[in-house]
Amino acid sequence: EAQVTQNPRYLITVTGKKLTVTCSQNMNHEYMSWYRQDPGLGLRQIYYSMNVEVTDKGDVPEGYKVSRKEKRNFPLILESPSPNQTSLYFCASSWGRNTGELFFGEGSRLTVL
Amino acid sequence: DAKTTQPPSMDCAEGRAANLPCNHSTISGNEYVYWYRQIHSQGPQYIIHGLKNNETNEMASLIITEDRKSSTLILPHATLRDTAVYYCIVRVTSNTGKLIFGQGTTLQVKP
Repeated sequence: EAQVTQNPRYLITVTGKKLTVTCSQNMNHEYMSWYRQDPGLGLRQIYYSMNVEVTDKGDVPEGYKVSRKEKRNFPLILESPSPNQTSLYFCASSWGRNTGELFFGEGSRLTVL
Repeated sequence: DAKTTQPPSMDCAEGRAANLPCNHSTISGNEYVYWYRQIHSQGPQYIIHGLKNNETNEMASLIITEDRKSSTLILPHATLRDTAVYYCIVRVTSNTGKLIFGQGTTLQVKP
């Protein structure tokens, strides 16, 4: 089944404790992206990747890192999480830069205390 | 990418057509219109997209005005399961990976 898989789906952590949210897709998609969703602010793009080893900032990249060492995986790294990073996170992928037809994961709800 | 404007909420009776408007008055000639929906806090789901011509698929129809400054997503026979937030976005297909979602329209389908 074609899918985008995120882990963990739920996480409660404390300020400053590094964490990684993994994202994996099995559709051989070139393009992958991370979003966060907060009440009243909608979906905001954090980082995106056009292909392996190619990443770029979205609208809200501060406090996050990403890497794209292989095509299927696009982990989101919070080096020193803070409470303002408490949010619902979505990973998405698509065939390439020339499409807005994104496939989204089920989301990862992160709480930073 | 062009900014879109959608009404914050709409109601629709079950079985009737739901017509969701989107204004994108600053759209450029090479920008596509995409529609997504998000049910509860699930991952958004792609519905349909178009450039100039009207489009139809198994989920919905997309009507784009001739000047392309606005569009309407039509769910022909809305069901309770269509209750969701619907997002209209415009996207230049060739240059950047940035994709901007607006606030969307919350569609409430009522029995």
